[in-house]
Amino acid sequence: DSGVTQTPKHLITATGQRVTLRCSPRSGDLSVYWYQQSLDQGLQFLIQYYNGEERAKGNILERFSAQQFPDLHSELNLSSLELGDSALYFCASSSQGGAKNIQYFGAGTRLSVL
Amino acid sequence: AQTVTQSQPEMSVQEAETVTLSCTYDTSENNYYLFWYKQPPSRQMILVIRQEAYKQQNATENRFSVNFQKAAKSFSLKISDSQLGDTAMYFCAFILTSGTYKYIFGTGTRLKVLA
Repeated sequence: DSGVTQTPKHLITATGQRVTLRCSPRSGDLSVYWYQQSLDQGLQFLIQYYNGEERAKGNILERFSAQQFPDLHSELNLSSLELGDSALYFCASSSQGGAKNIQYFGAGTRLSVL
Repeated sequence: AQTVTQSQPEMSVQEAETVTLSCTYDTSENNYYLFWYKQPPSRQMILVIRQEAYKQQNATENRFSVNFQKAAKSFSLKISDSQLGDTAMYFCAFILTSGTYKYIFGTGTRLKVLA
């Protein structure tokens, strides 16, 4: 168990809908990262937050947004969903925001858009 | 831009044997970290081993070791005494020590350990 909690584990929804994925980082970790893994692909970095503020953006679509709350949990909002958004979404956390800090991954949320 | 290439989509190895997974990367930067992550059927991403680019000594974690060739930009993973539980997707990843601190992942190698 990495200590990173993601909910829900599975989500099934329809095209055009909006969903929210939640991530609770390991106790004491200040930085949260979101990644997307499409079928049999490597992980694509979406966005990073550090202590409540956006630190870095990757290949995140404009239909997607995220935030990190004062209690350090994070939410990834996906709207106007398309079939191609079906993927495994991972959250990771690290103690600080730097490269030397190991990122610990949650178990992921599997999103299926029908 | 940084890239990570894993040229072996699938590999298999007999239990108790040794297998090496390849990874090459491309960057013009000098300071970075390299990682191997394991993703078993449960889909959980598990850190296997980490290598700091400034260290010449190859990292080792029990049965797992790396062969880091900085000049060649190569970072292979050797698994000794393979076990059935090693069956998983293995991802090579790269992160710069400055900038956005995002992982760049390869596309993975699916390893199957045969009984």
